[in-house]
Amino acid sequence: DAGITQSPRYKITETGRQVTLMCHQTWSHSYMFWYRQDLGHGLRLIYYSAAADITDKGEVPDGYVVSRSKTENFPLTLESATRSQTSVYFCASSDAGGPDTQYFGPGTRLTVL
Amino acid sequence: RKEVEQDPGPFNVPEGATVAFNCTYSNSASQSFFWYRQDCRKEPKLLMSVYSSGNEDGRFTAQLNRASQYISLLIRDSKLSDSATYLCVVNIGTPLVFGKGTRLSVIA
Repeated sequence: DAGITQSPRYKITETGRQVTLMCHQTWSHSYMFWYRQDLGHGLRLIYYSAAADITDKGEVPDGYVVSRSKTENFPLTLESATRSQTSVYFCASSDAGGPDTQYFGPGTRLTVL
Repeated sequence: RKEVEQDPGPFNVPEGATVAFNCTYSNSASQSFFWYRQDCRKEPKLLMSVYSSGNEDGRFTAQLNRASQYISLLIRDSKLSDSATYLCVVNIGTPLVFGKGTRLSVIA
């Protein structure tokens, strides 16, 4: 199906474990983004990518790693999960010609115990 | 000063009421403006763009005041289904800057 998907939708892990959240889009959009959303903070940008092999830090990149070897995929890895990384993670994409409109995935709800 | 500021609410209004939200932005170089809607536990979705001349989409009207650096969203004849969080979004170059949102609850 066309669109932007995220997996897993729900994840429970333990402190110190490595976790990878997947994001896949079928529109061939150039830009992809990772946000986290917590009560009281709104959406906060973690990392974004303008194209394959180009990534940039956002507002809260510490503790996260991204890669973009293919245009359609933008995985986010928590190298050593901490409780403070418990959050809802949204992936988004937008077209280079129209960066104004970002399309969001359904989100991944991550709990770190 | 934060780049995009919104009153978090909640705004509790009866069905049929008219409600308005404002949002202020700090960067005068902001290029374009949007309202996104986010339902509880769902992803944000574009509601409408905001044009300099103001624009309307059914019961929704968006306005931009560049001199005072604010945008507004007016919802007429509120429906229960309008209950959501409304995010003010400003484009000053990629990435977009999102406000924290204003929560609206429409009550029967």
